[in-house]
Amino acid sequence: EVQLVESGGGLVQPGGSLRLSCAASGFIFSNYVMNWVRQAPGKGLEWVANIQPDGSEKSYGDSVKGRFTISRDNANNALYLQMNSLRAEDSALYYCAGGSKCGSWGQGTLVTVSS
Amino acid sequence: QAVVTQEPSLTVSPGGTVTLTCGSSTGAVTSGHYPYWFQQKPGQAPKTLIYETRNKHSWTPARFSGSLLGGRAALTLSGAQPEDEADYYCLLHYSGPWVFGGGTKLTVL
Repeated sequence: EVQLVESGGGLVQPGGSLRLSCAASGFIFSNYVMNWVRQAPGKGLEWVANIQPDGSEKSYGDSVKGRFTISRDNANNALYLQMNSLRAEDSALYYCAGGSKCGSWGQGTLVTVSS
Repeated sequence: QAVVTQEPSLTVSPGGTVTLTCGSSTGAVTSGHYPYWFQQKPGQAPKTLIYETRNKHSWTPARFSGSLLGGRAALTLSGAQPEDEADYYCLLHYSGPWVFGGGTKLTVL
């Protein structure tokens, strides 16, 4: 069974940092592009970043470029999102998504940026 | 960054047909944007219905289909069921970044 499990969310002050993780299982993780997608409470989906299977290429949404860094560890089937200089508007449920034709989604981890 | 537009809300009768569309601020949507469609029900993670314009996952009900229509990506639901009431999002690729549309709230009534 394909599974994506996010962790690392929590409450952080503005300007702070947080590192999200996504543990993948049930598929050949190293074969697929992986994404981070977020959803603020009551709002729509926002694509955050993605990374190619070998980690060689990364893309970011304009709202996070220069502050967030996506990375992966194919040996341990893990995806990461390092979030720096966090702002209130980064508060959201962060989903890990990917696998074959982006067919798999986790349940999300909640990030709250507030003083 | 490009802006992707969707109808904010649509209503369909049970058994009826409805088409949701997805446009791009940069011009016509083509297969080169690799359109994706996702369904999200309240309190649940999104589910991928359609990838690369018209391809379905194994779990995608046959009543959903994807296409390009008049310069936009389209998701057509034929024979709507009460369980199809949900938010639907399209996603387009722009040579690097991907951009979601604002979503369409579909009511089956």
